[in-house]
Amino acid sequence: DSGVTQTPKHLITATGQRVTLRCSPRSGDLSVYWYQQSLDQGLQFLIQYYNGEERAKGNILERFSAQQFPDLHSELNLSSLELGDSALYFCASSVTSLDEQFFGPGTRLTVL
Amino acid sequence: AQKITQTQPGMFVQEKEAVTLDCTYDTSDQSYGLFWYKQPSSGEMIFLIYQGSYDEQNATEGRYSLNFQKARKSANLVISASQLGDSAMYFCAMRYSSASKIIFGSGTRLSIRP
Repeated sequence: DSGVTQTPKHLITATGQRVTLRCSPRSGDLSVYWYQQSLDQGLQFLIQYYNGEERAKGNILERFSAQQFPDLHSELNLSSLELGDSALYFCASSVTSLDEQFFGPGTRLTVL
Repeated sequence: AQKITQTQPGMFVQEKEAVTLDCTYDTSDQSYGLFWYKQPSSGEMIFLIYQGSYDEQNATEGRYSLNFQKARKSANLVISASQLGDSAMYFCAMRYSSASKIIFGSGTRLSIRP
């Protein structure tokens, strides 16, 4: 158990819908990262927050957005969902941007 | 451009043998970090080992060691005395651009034979 929690574990929804994925970092970690893992794209970095502020952006679509709240938990919002958004979404956290990241168990999103 | 390459899509190794998983990288940054993660069939990503670009000694964590050859831009993972539980996908990753971005390789699926 990495100490990073993600909810829900599984999510099944339809195209065009909007969903919110939630992540609670390890106690003491200020950085939160979101990743998307799909069969064709591999593991892709989406976005990073540090202590509530956006720190870095990767291959995140405009339909996706994220935020980190004062209590340091983070949410990833996915809207206008398409079939290709079906993937495993990981959250990871670290103390600072320089430290190793610890991953949550992931949320498996299925868009039908 | 920043790039991580894992050239071995799959490997089979006999239990108790040592195994080396290859990883090469490309970056123009002087400061970067290299990571290895393990992903078993259950799906979670497990941090294994980290090597900073300025670290002079190769990183070691138990049965895991990282063979860091900076001039060759390689960061191979060595697992000594492999166990059945080592069967998993292994990902090499690099942090670059002042720790702001991270990229992952395509992974190597390691299967340990009893």
